[in-house]
Amino acid sequence: KAGVTQTPRYLIKTRGQQVTLSCSPISGHRSVSWYQQTPGQGLQFLFEYFSETQRNKGNFPGRFSGRQFSNSRSEMNVSTLELGDSALYLCASREGFNSPLHFGNGTRLTVT
Amino acid sequence: QQPVQSPQAVILREGEDAVINCSSSKALYSVHWYRQKHGEAPVFLMILLKGGEQKGHDKISASFNEKKQQSSLYLTASQLSYSGTYFCGTEFMTGANNLFFGTGTRLTVIP
Repeated sequence: KAGVTQTPRYLIKTRGQQVTLSCSPISGHRSVSWYQQTPGQGLQFLFEYFSETQRNKGNFPGRFSGRQFSNSRSEMNVSTLELGDSALYLCASREGFNSPLHFGNGTRLTVT
Repeated sequence: QQPVQSPQAVILREGEDAVINCSSSKALYSVHWYRQKHGEAPVFLMILLKGGEQKGHDKISASFNEKKQQSSLYLTASQLSYSGTYFCGTEFMTGANNLFFGTGTRLTVIP
């Protein structure tokens, strides 16, 4: 099976712009989670989707949003970008509760 | 809700052992362990479930102390390939379908 695919791999944006990141999960996985990774902060949970519904949301401002499509592909959107949004954004899919997360290679976002 | 990992960093020589700890202030249902090498995605190592047994994979094993809400990852006879950042991820009794990760432990194995 193909792994989790994230596009694009790198993005450079300026403050105030918005950005959309994409994630294609492993075939058959209906749960998709998003994480923000920054040095020293580890992996911060953003949100989790299952069958097009957001089931959980982390402690991030409303500028961070996401959605999931009927084919389980997911997108994450960040509006009004700030310098502090610069990070590696990781998407992960899983079969269900008690199963491992499978991570994509991430999208590295740089905000200037 | 973020679990606490210790130590933050450790340097080992090949063949030495290490223990990485993960603790939570909330009751845990499961603990996951992942390893991330520089520039790569985190890779799953193992899951420990409440009431389950200690897990092992080659020379890497882990335990889950339900009373203390703690998990420990044991790396024995370390190899150069063990280098990377280790993260524990926790799921709580509420059954929420999301993992909260610790800030990671950077492990460096030197010849």
